[in-house]
Amino acid sequence: GESVGLHLPTLSVQEGDNSIINCAYSNSASDYFIWYKQESGKGPQFIIDIRSNMDKRQGQRVTVLLNKTVKHLSLQIAATQPGDSAVYFCAENMPLTTDSWGKFQFGAGTQVVVTP
Amino acid sequence: DAGVIQSPRHEVTEMGQEVTLRCKPISGHNSLFWYRQTMMRGLELLIYFNNNVPIDDSGMPEDRFSAKMPNASFSTLKIQPSEPRDSAVYFCASSLGEKLFFGSGTQLSVL
Repeated sequence: GESVGLHLPTLSVQEGDNSIINCAYSNSASDYFIWYKQESGKGPQFIIDIRSNMDKRQGQRVTVLLNKTVKHLSLQIAATQPGDSAVYFCAENMPLTTDSWGKFQFGAGTQVVVTP
Repeated sequence: DAGVIQSPRHEVTEMGQEVTLRCKPISGHNSLFWYRQTMMRGLELLIYFNNNVPIDDSGMPEDRFSAKMPNASFSTLKIQPSEPRDSAVYFCASSLGEKLFFGSGTQLSVL
């Protein structure tokens, strides 16, 4: 049948519960990763980043985990709130040189819906 | 800090017309990116500049698309002639090495 568009994976979470959003990245040479949040009608906003020499990094209510062996990234949101409802993207970056940065490649995104 | 500023926020035009999207990156940032977002293909990188020089334009869909960065504080993305399939949200982003900061986007509708 005719494709009508991307069907984003959707994660439904009850308010107060923890959320885990997963992402598989493509390039084993990528050494820097970012999670972005995009609310309806807005541009993506930076949430948290991690370098390839780390496997975990924590921010305020968010934690990013990196598993380079299987090229997997995850974002954990603690005590999910209604304001966390958005599309979440992971992005990978392979820099050209130490003085310039290469392309950021974005994943397809995950729609998070927080229910009361 | 005003962030990345894009104009216009919305653009409605007819097929065949020229469209120019504008971007002012964050002051001091040395890299600028143009992305396109659609339901069909998600967020796609079109072109990016480093120190005002185009580094990679392999994402530009075809010759109808062109981008310029005449100075460190201004960039344009032009579509000539525009087609209905160009309808999308176009984002500009800038960075200084690491974190990418996005503008609010231009919603383009080509009728």
